[in-house]
Amino acid sequence: DPKIIQKPKYLVAVTGSEKILICEQYLGHNAMYWYRQSAKKPLEFMFSYSYQKLMDNQTASSRFQPQSSKKNHLDLQITALKPDDSATYFCASSQGQTETLYFGSGTRLTVL
Amino acid sequence: GQQVQQSPASLVLQEGENAELQCNFSTSLNSMQWFYQRPGGSLVSLFYNPSGTKHSGRLTSTTVIKERRSSLHISSSQTTDSGTYLCALERTSSGQKLVFGQGTILKVYL
Repeated sequence: DPKIIQKPKYLVAVTGSEKILICEQYLGHNAMYWYRQSAKKPLEFMFSYSYQKLMDNQTASSRFQPQSSKKNHLDLQITALKPDDSATYFCASSQGQTETLYFGSGTRLTVL
Repeated sequence: GQQVQQSPASLVLQEGENAELQCNFSTSLNSMQWFYQRPGGSLVSLFYNPSGTKHSGRLTSTTVIKERRSSLHISSSQTTDSGTYLCALERTSSGQKLVFGQGTILKVYL
């Protein structure tokens, strides 16, 4: 059974629209993260949260907004979508901030 | 410049052969992690290895901080080992802000 659930698995959006990527983890971890993997690029860190508080933000744009309604949830809202936002977005979690990282299966976003 | 360099970029093996994947880094290190990315895209943690050698089945990870390198050895490769192997560096006190390499694409055939 997957312990980190990301929904949806695939998402197609039009330029200028807004989407929310869902992430829930059932590992009992207190730290959660978002990473992005674009075509031909390495996985790239976006955000880290610990106990529902933002710890680090490496995204240049305020169009990307994480939302943590519960300890085991970290959704990602993306507004004013652009074709360059097309990528696979991975949610991850860890017990502490220096422990093994566990990844969800990703949401593949395509912006037309 | 790129902080994490992986080599080779790709590797083709016949089943049963061994593989040695390299990861070199250019910055101070808190830990090194190795991941396997399935052809479908999902990632599996293989090792959390800040230093020294760790074993898991047919896999061995060795991190030598002084030499700024980490390696992943796969012995007796199997077709199910095919996929992408990623190393990721956690810089000193960066709290899981991992910096990933480009990956090594491994193909194992019968």
